[in-house]
Amino acid sequence: GQNIDQPTEMTATEGAIVQINCTYQTSGFNGLFWYQQHAGEAPTFLSYNVLDGLEEKGRFSSFLSRSKGYSYLLLKELQMKDSASYLCAGMDSNYQLIWGAGTKLIIKP
Amino acid sequence: ETGVTQTPRHLVMGMTNKKSLKCEQHLGHNAMYWYKQSAKKPLELMFVYSLEERVENNSVPSRFSPECPNSSHLFLHLHTLQPEDSALYLCASSQDLGLPSYEQYFGPGTRLTVT
Repeated sequence: GQNIDQPTEMTATEGAIVQINCTYQTSGFNGLFWYQQHAGEAPTFLSYNVLDGLEEKGRFSSFLSRSKGYSYLLLKELQMKDSASYLCAGMDSNYQLIWGAGTKLIIKP
Repeated sequence: ETGVTQTPRHLVMGMTNKKSLKCEQHLGHNAMYWYKQSAKKPLELMFVYSLEERVENNSVPSRFSPECPNSSHLFLHLHTLQPEDSALYLCASSQDLGLPSYEQYFGPGTRLTVT
């Protein structure tokens, strides 16, 4: 079956670095997405990886290892506004997104 | 208006009521989606439309009925719902289907409570 696993909740300190891990099993693979969702708001796109390696975008970076079925989202210089849920989603061979349940990130001052 | 809008933002309905959720996208996209989001569960894809044609119906109960009159508008008609249908209903759009790099743009959702 298809499955996305990510931690339910993480806590980090303002100014620090946090890594949110995601493992995936999909029927075929057409890439890995990360979305951010603030409480009561719409999910917004953060990153897309289809090749192995690290993609950096400002304070956020996303990594993919296709052989390990593994991705992570790295957030640097954490700010209070980064408190949100982070959703990992793998795209299968039918171009459908298979979603994880999300990781709630709590930032403490 | 910009992006993807949804109305109403909140809806409380009884199990015998009939109501509709509306979604509108102002991005010129060709694909639109309905998702159900329940607490601490993954997003569940309900329906997918491409150029007003339904291309996916993921075993959704018939009490949910989608309608896509044009590529900018998507409706979800609700009738005789159950309490377990209470959730956040999200609409999304993307440029097209079948191209993996096209991210989906989400609306703010309708918080539905069935009493």
